[in-house]
Amino acid sequence: QQPVQSPQAVILREGEDAVINCSSSKALYSVHWYRQKHGEAPVFLMILLKGGEQKGHEKISASFNEKKQQSSLYLTASQLSYSGTYFCGTETMDDKIIFGKGTRLHILP
Amino acid sequence: NAGVTQTPKFQVLKTGQSMTLQCAQDMNHNSMYWYRQDPGMGLRLIYYSASEGTTDKGEVPNGYNVSRLNKREFSLRLESAAPSQTSVYFCASSAQTVPMYGYTFGSGTRLTVV
Repeated sequence: QQPVQSPQAVILREGEDAVINCSSSKALYSVHWYRQKHGEAPVFLMILLKGGEQKGHEKISASFNEKKQQSSLYLTASQLSYSGTYFCGTETMDDKIIFGKGTRLHILP
Repeated sequence: NAGVTQTPKFQVLKTGQSMTLQCAQDMNHNSMYWYRQDPGMGLRLIYYSASEGTTDKGEVPNGYNVSRLNKREFSLRLESAAPSQTSVYFCASSAQTVPMYGYTFGSGTRLTVV
């Protein structure tokens, strides 16, 4: 089953923070995060492994709660370039990565 | 530039026609994938190939077939196109089945079936 992402869409002003959540009904082995700009291919941001540490990438970081089968992506002091759609992808025991429906993020100047 | 190349970029088909979407990667990756993306639905896995010589079904395989021609190439075939297959198709590759460095996606094929 697809992981569930929330919220579906976010509008922020430049400099504000955002949190995007991803939850699964299945036990997770890893969680991936991607960003897709309009009309472009998704681009890999980071992977979080079961038992691993919180990851960071520029001002974007993420956490993984294995017990709750959830991950959250944190965008701090957002920049215009952060606009796009964010997807989480979850790996379950059959090694496939299943993506959520995405969260649209729009940053206003 | 190294990466994943998809052809064609755009295609219009009539219902019932067949076509093959081509994908090639030059990063020596073992695993390759086909996803479709529809508005509001995210990326859904059609088929994947964990390694050369193997293929497996994903979430939405009906109406599609795949061929892992060699380590570089993974094609997706629509035998009898239907309007429900109108979508953007992305091919992706990774070094392993669970990629520590993520998937590399191609630029996509926008397919319209009329």
